[in-house]
Amino acid sequence: SQKIEQNSEALNIQEGKTATLTCNYTNYSPAYLQWYRQDPGRGPVFLLLIRENEKEKRKERLKVTFDTTLKQSLFHITASQPADSATYLCALRMDSSYKLIFGSGTRLLVRP
Amino acid sequence: NAGVTQTPKFQVLKTGQSMTLQCAQDMNHEYMSWYRQDPGMGLRLIHYSVGAGITDQGEVPNGYNVSRSTTEDFPLRLLSAAPSQTSVYFCASMTGEGNTIYFGEGSWLTVV
Repeated sequence: SQKIEQNSEALNIQEGKTATLTCNYTNYSPAYLQWYRQDPGRGPVFLLLIRENEKEKRKERLKVTFDTTLKQSLFHITASQPADSATYLCALRMDSSYKLIFGSGTRLLVRP
Repeated sequence: NAGVTQTPKFQVLKTGQSMTLQCAQDMNHEYMSWYRQDPGMGLRLIHYSVGAGITDQGEVPNGYNVSRSTTEDFPLRLLSAAPSQTSVYFCASMTGEGNTIYFGEGSWLTVV
């Protein structure tokens, strides 16, 4: 069956450390993989997109990797801050469709 | 720029009642969609539209109806509300390129 898995347990880290979140998928061949941030009571907000032919993408303190062999994406936040505390969602998009398929998200807590 | 606007923010319905969740976007996006978000389930696609006059079912369409008479508006109708439809509903839109999806702020629906 097709699955997208994100760690359901919250990731709790100290301010200044690097947060690494994982998105694993099975039985999909996505053309794009996206990461979103969601704060409590708010809608998801787009952060980064990486294409299947890209290994890595960076934006300020954010870095995303995409390994289509392992069927895994890693999302890194360097020099993390308490303001980075939120739930982070990964989403897959197949080349032939506009549909996005979301993981259930991982909550990140950054302690001061 | 308002982006994606959803109304109402909160609604309580009795079982069997019908209602419409409104969604409007001012970005001239072709693609619009409705998701529901339940604890531990991630975002699940209900219905989507690739342009005015065109709609299609997503992953969980039962009990919901949509129409797309204009590019800007994409209302979601609950025909006969059931407690299983208690959820947070998000409307979203994206460009024809489909690289970034913009979400509304959500509508919290409780069916008693």
